[in-house]
Amino acid sequence: DVKVTQSSRYLVKRTGEKVFLECVQDMDHENMFWYRQDPGLGLRLIYFSYDVKMKEKGDIPEGYSVSREKKERFSLILESASTNQTSMYLCASNRGGSTDTQYFGPGTRLTVL
Amino acid sequence: SQQGEEDPQALSIQEGENATMNCSYKTSINNLQWYRQNSGRGLVHLILIRSNEREKHSGRLRVTLDTSKKSSSLLITASRAADTASYFCATDSRMDSSYKLIFGSGTRLLVRP
Repeated sequence: DVKVTQSSRYLVKRTGEKVFLECVQDMDHENMFWYRQDPGLGLRLIYFSYDVKMKEKGDIPEGYSVSREKKERFSLILESASTNQTSMYLCASNRGGSTDTQYFGPGTRLTVL
Repeated sequence: SQQGEEDPQALSIQEGENATMNCSYKTSINNLQWYRQNSGRGLVHLILIRSNEREKHSGRLRVTLDTSKKSSSLLITASRAADTASYFCATDSRMDSSYKLIFGSGTRLLVRP
């Protein structure tokens, strides 16, 4: 079974803090993705990576950065958390073929106070 | 940018009834996928239909695709309380050497026991 894990299910941080969200997949997938999910807006792509040390901006990259030092791990970084970054964050991975399914982690619900 | 838009936004039915959810999209696609999300969890892939297919079945799920109308429907037959979840359609969009999925905002399905 494909497994995508995220470091925390729930996280509470204060405005201005640096926040790290970690995602690990065990299927040797090339592609990894970070989304945020907000009510009424569906999933929006923040960043994705198609190889180690490679990254591409998604639809809403502002205020975020990412790191992919190893193939199995993709980190999302909030350099200075703000209240409008309170959201559900979902990580996903896939092999990158045009018909490939994405496999999602359980999500991290981040609250920024 | 949101490509897929689900309709209705919310649906409440009695156990045993069929549930139909619709998805419309704007641009040409290679494939359309349906995902399910239980409350507060990650997404799980249900079914993928290619642009040259018109109908696909998987257990109690039936998906249709009409590329001339740029629409798809997901039918869940003989619904169960455990089918209560949000359902999302996702269409693929080419991005550099890979592709990204664009998700709609989802249909919340409640199956009453």
